[in-house]
Amino acid sequence: KAGVTQTPRYLIKTRGQQVTLSCSPISGHRSVSWYQQTPGQGLQFLFEYFSETQRNKGNFPGRFSGRQFSNSRSEMNVSTLELGDSALYLCASSLVQGVETQYFGPGTRLLVL
Amino acid sequence: GEDVEQSLFLSVREGDSSVINCTYTDSSSTYLYWYKQEPGAGLQLLTYIFSNMDMKQDQRLTVLLNKKDKHLSLRIADTQTGDSAIYFCAEKGTNNDMRFGAGTRLTVKP
Repeated sequence: KAGVTQTPRYLIKTRGQQVTLSCSPISGHRSVSWYQQTPGQGLQFLFEYFSETQRNKGNFPGRFSGRQFSNSRSEMNVSTLELGDSALYLCASSLVQGVETQYFGPGTRLLVL
Repeated sequence: GEDVEQSLFLSVREGDSSVINCTYTDSSSTYLYWYKQEPGAGLQLLTYIFSNMDMKQDQRLTVLLNKKDKHLSLRIADTQTGDSAIYFCAEKGTNNDMRFGAGTRLTVKP
């Protein structure tokens, strides 16, 4: 069974631009969560989607948004990029919402110049 | 900032046991986890423990949970060079949000 895939793996943007990251969960998994990892703040939870609905949200500004499609694939969007948005963005999937076993993708490394 | 605290570094010799410690703050956490992250990779779930358990063993891994002190530990027996990585402790709160520690960088010397 293929693991969680994220595209693109690396991305360079400039301040003020917007970016969309994509995550394909493991086949059959319906829950997708997004995390931001930075050296200064560590791993922080962004949001979780289940059955196309956002079920849980971390403490991030409204510039960070996401959505989930009927095939459980998810996208994350960051508008008006800031230098501090440079990070590794990780996606994790699990069978159902709130279940203990989350499987992580390799991440998308975003650099904002 | 994190509500979960871990020491940042641990160095052991190959064949020794490693013990990585973690303290958390949410007494209502339902699950506690240990993840491993190797360079350039995402997080790999190693093991987890329900909050109503005090110990879980899985091959070389032993997790101990002290709910009274909100202390979680991961013991790796017979540590190998391939165990060198960053280990994250995480808790899941009652509203299903996940909180991670800063990670402990384990270095295994041959």
